[in-house]
Amino acid sequence: DAKTTQPTSMDCAEGRAANLPCNHSTISGNEYVYWYRQIHSQGPQYIIHGLKNNETNEMASLIITEDRKSSTLILPHATLRDTAVYYCIVRPRSTGGFKTIFGAGTRLFVKA
Amino acid sequence: SQTIHQWPATLVQPVGSPLSLECTVEGTSNPNLYWYRQAAGRGLQLLFYSVGIGQISSEVPQNLSASRPQDRQFILSSKKLLLSDSGFYLCAWLGTENTEAFFGQGTRLTVV
Repeated sequence: DAKTTQPTSMDCAEGRAANLPCNHSTISGNEYVYWYRQIHSQGPQYIIHGLKNNETNEMASLIITEDRKSSTLILPHATLRDTAVYYCIVRPRSTGGFKTIFGAGTRLFVKA
Repeated sequence: SQTIHQWPATLVQPVGSPLSLECTVEGTSNPNLYWYRQAAGRGLQLLFYSVGIGQISSEVPQNLSASRPQDRQFILSSKKLLLSDSGFYLCAWLGTENTEAFFGQGTRLTVV
């Protein structure tokens, strides 16, 4: 079972910030939070990841709460091309033999 | 740079026919490899993962099998396809620690 919970779907107006929440209340100390997105009929694409500090890259920002039990992915200026399913997953730092489990994700609709 | 190749992109097969989907990675060694299946409008279901040559872990009892004959090759197979095997199949790899997963472009399988 996925270790994260996300809303099923969200809407966002084009040009506005999209804030996608994720709960991971059972996260372990050695687990990172990763975000991916999947545009229809394509493989998931990596967006960003973090351990406990907030992170920012050219695609998005990741805000992780101090207790690390939840996080928010922020797309600062959503465009129509950001319409996709967004997955939040947690995984340990070590990659030896672990399973990367994806939940159902959040379907983001960016509207003109 | 690391790349992942998955083929074919689409496949239509009759019930009872065999299946072989191949995934290869380049630019890395000893990757963790994964096969996922995605039903229409659903999340990713982990089918198999492999941490090395000949090492396969199965997540879901099913009509499918996987093999890893070489370090950077992962194969998904079936002896006799069922209608329920239809779906979008994705191969992914994960390299050294603290890196993201890279996905292939997927194979859309329709069993008729």
